[in-house]
Amino acid sequence: SAVISQKPSRDICQRGTSLTIQCQVDSQVTMMFWYRQQPGQSLTLIATANQGSEATYESGFVIDKFPISRPNLTFSTLTVSNMSPEDSSIYLCSVVLGLAGALLTDTQYFGPGTRLTVL
Amino acid sequence: GNSVTQMEGPVTLSEEAFLTINCTYTATGYPSLFWYVQYPGEGLQLLLKATKADDKGSNKGFEATYRKETTSFHLEKGSVQVSDSAVYFCALEGSQGNLIFGKGTKLSVKP
Repeated sequence: SAVISQKPSRDICQRGTSLTIQCQVDSQVTMMFWYRQQPGQSLTLIATANQGSEATYESGFVIDKFPISRPNLTFSTLTVSNMSPEDSSIYLCSVVLGLAGALLTDTQYFGPGTRLTVL
Repeated sequence: GNSVTQMEGPVTLSEEAFLTINCTYTATGYPSLFWYVQYPGEGLQLLLKATKADDKGSNKGFEATYRKETTSFHLEKGSVQVSDSAVYFCALEGSQGNLIFGKGTKLSVKP
C-alpha cells in the first residue's frame, strides 16, 4: 500500500479566494487522481494529474477553476480558484501504485481528504 | 459510458442481521469492481475487489461476487456488527484507471 498525506486537512475560506491543496505520497506512483465529494454525495473525478504535462479534466471541470500541478511521481497540488459556497466539499487525491508505464495494481489508495468550507 | 447503480440508503439493521447492499454496473468490457468503505470521520478505504467474472472478493466477513450475467457485484455479510456502521461505495475501474463510484449506501447497525 501507500501512505498518502494531504495538506491542509481542512480549511474555511472566503468567497473569491483560492486554496491550494497538496498531496504527498511516500513512494513513486504511476497515476494520481483528484476527486471531489460534495456533502452527502458520492465521489466525482475532477482530473487525472499527469506527471510533467497538463492534467486531464473530466467533463464539467476546467483548468482555470481547478489548476493542477504534478512536478514529480510523488507530489501533486490542486488549486480551487475563485471559490464560491458551491465549492464546499471534501477534496481527495488518490494513487495507483507502480512506476511510470508499469502498473503494480489496479487498486486505488486514497488520501485522508481536505474538507473545504467556503463562506 | 460506464456507470454504477447502488442501492439507496440509509439502511438500518440490528446487530447480527444479514446485510445485502445491491450494486449493478454498466460497462464496456470487464473492468475490475470494488467496494470501498468510509467509516465516520475517516478516509475512504478499500474493502474488497474482484478483477474478473466469477471472482469473489472478501474481507472482514464481507463478500461480493463479480456476476457477469447479471452485471452485479452485491455486497453481503452474514452477521453485521455495530462497528460496521459506515458508508459503503461500489465502484468500477474507468478507462483512465480512475474509479467510477456509486452514490453510496449509509449503513447503521443498532445494538
